[in-house]
Amino acid sequence: SQQGEEDPQALSIQEGENATMNCSYKTSINNLQWYRQNSGRGLVHLILIRSNEREKHSGRLRVTLDTSKKSSSLLITASRAADTASYFCATVKTGAQKLVFGQGTRLTINP
Amino acid sequence: GAVVSQHPSWVICKSGTSVKIECRSLDFQATTMFWYRQFPKQSLMLMATSNEGSKATYEQGVEKDKFLINHASLTLSTLTVTSAHPEDSSFYICSAPNRDRGSYEQYFGPGTRLTVT
Repeated sequence: SQQGEEDPQALSIQEGENATMNCSYKTSINNLQWYRQNSGRGLVHLILIRSNEREKHSGRLRVTLDTSKKSSSLLITASRAADTASYFCATVKTGAQKLVFGQGTRLTINP
Repeated sequence: GAVVSQHPSWVICKSGTSVKIECRSLDFQATTMFWYRQFPKQSLMLMATSNEGSKATYEQGVEKDKFLINHASLTLSTLTVTSAHPEDSSFYICSAPNRDRGSYEQYFGPGTRLTVT
């Protein structure tokens, strides 16, 4: 079953702008991960943040985690047309292996 | 590194037939693999956890007799959709964690699009 809610469900911005996506979850987690999926393709791992971390950066990506609010955000700075994709957060519950995915955000970057 | 492949990438079959989908870890060993189903414009729903050398663990609501999983080696898991019906048409994706890297990160196959006519 899906654990998380993501918002917005769809986001359309101009190239060069920043895109922010949010994810909420319900249970205690070991870590939270963000994945990207281009249409009709498999998923690509973007970044993992552990439950004892609050912020993490990777290139143009910035992820925050607030375990007290059970929420995370993904910020993509200086967006590019190639960033157009669906973005999913996924959590790993404490003591488990499997990923539980959020509903995803469909991001469109307009040239 | 850490590549996962799936075969076939797409398949069309007639209602009532069975279809086998393969998931392979190409450059690492995977004692555990996961199978997901994804309907258009929706998220991934975990179907089952495939365990090498033992029975798969199915998620609630997934029929184990309809979706047969075999994890016969450390690099191969197969999902067989038996007696397929049009409602089984979906995008099936597998993933595997690379324990050699000591990470919870999972590597996903490119997916298999199944269309049942």
